[in-house]
Amino acid sequence: QVQLVESGGGVVQPWRSLRLSCAASGFTFSSYAMHWVRQAPGKGLECVAVISYDGSNKYYPDSVKGRFTISRDNSKNTLYLQMNSLRAEDTAVYYCAKGRVAGQFIYYFDYWGQGTQVTVSS
Amino acid sequence: EIVLTQSPGTLSLSPGEGATLSCRASQSVRSDFLAWYQQKPGQAPRLLIFGASGRATGIPDRFSGSGSGTDFTLTISRLEPEDFAVYYCQQYGSSPPLTFGGGTKVEIK
Repeated sequence: QVQLVESGGGVVQPWRSLRLSCAASGFTFSSYAMHWVRQAPGKGLECVAVISYDGSNKYYPDSVKGRFTISRDNSKNTLYLQMNSLRAEDTAVYYCAKGRVAGQFIYYFDYWGQGTQVTVSS
Repeated sequence: EIVLTQSPGTLSLSPGEGATLSCRASQSVRSDFLAWYQQKPGQAPRLLIFGASGRATGIPDRFSGSGSGTDFTLTISRLEPEDFAVYYCQQYGSSPPLTFGGGTKVEIK
């Protein structure tokens, strides 16, 4: 069955960096776009990065552009999110999510990981 | 960017009652590419509805989606205890970003 397991979260000081990982199994990872979605405490959902199945296409909203970098290693079935210059407002649970349709850059999510907590605090 | 507005913010209902949740888009959602997710405390969201009205695998038929263009609705015909949760709509019909609504909390009255 499909599994997405995030790791790498923790407590980090402002302006420092953190790298999240998402280990995927149970499907052909290299065929699907993948997403990072975050949820601040008590708030809604925000997509912070998406990467195409082959890594050639990426998108970031203005809130993280220039600070976050999404990447993937299809040989290791792993998705990454490099987060630099972290701010207090980046504090959230970060989920990785799988796009539903192979090859499509933008589609709804059929599977989510359990999430990893990132806390930015001095 | 398409902005999704969900209403009401909170719905207080009793088990057995029906629930109607609204999601309004700031512009027409292409091909009715709208999804609904359910999220319980401490859990990841779960897909309920895709393409405005298609039920995801394993979702009970008391959940139904409808609507087109800019106005969409999630209906829960008879609330079961496990249905009390937060519900989000998401559009995926336009260029990035994918956007979510702010959520509707369905709570026990």
